[in-house]
Amino acid sequence: KNQVEQSPQSLIILEGKNCTLQCNYTVSPFSNLRWYKQDTGRGPVSLTIMTFSENTKSNGRYTATLDADTKQSSLHITASQLSDSASYICVVSALGASKIIFGSGTRLSIRP
Amino acid sequence: DAGVIQSPRHEVTEMGQEVTLRCKPISGHNSLFWYRQTMMRGLELLIYFNNNVPIDDSGMPEDRFSAKMPNASFSTLKIQPSEPRDSAVYFCASSWDDLNEQFFGPGTRLTVL
Repeated sequence: KNQVEQSPQSLIILEGKNCTLQCNYTVSPFSNLRWYKQDTGRGPVSLTIMTFSENTKSNGRYTATLDADTKQSSLHITASQLSDSASYICVVSALGASKIIFGSGTRLSIRP
Repeated sequence: DAGVIQSPRHEVTEMGQEVTLRCKPISGHNSLFWYRQTMMRGLELLIYFNNNVPIDDSGMPEDRFSAKMPNASFSTLKIQPSEPRDSAVYFCASSWDDLNEQFFGPGTRLTVL
């Protein structure tokens, strides 16, 4: 069964600290993995997208990693800012876009 | 470009009424996606169009839901008749090709009383 599981469900950290969010998937055949940031009341915004051959991709203070062998991905946020408070959603696509599996997201709160 | 445009932003209706949600994708994008988001189920893909043709509607909940894309710049999602359990935020997204980055609209918050 195609599944995407994210952990933790929620996370609170102090401003300036680093954090890492996890995503495990069982989607097959794998096409790509995306991380989205969703602010409250807004649509998701793409942070990174990685295909099978890529194992790391950065977007500013966001760095995503992918281990296609263990089917795990992580999103590392460096020097967190208050504006990083949002839900982070891991999305895995199987070959053919109709098979898009969403994780339930990690709710990140940054405290001053 | 203004990004993906959705209307209305908010819709409140009574059970049994017809609801039509509208989406204008980013110019030049050839793939369009309709999603539904609820607290219980998170984000779910409802239907996906490529070059105005529906590719997979297996995510559409039931026959009460229908979607059309008459041209490259416009799509609708219709619910008839609406039910309280349809209350959710409906997002439209577009991309150049189905494997590329999807750009989401602001969503339509639907409340069915």
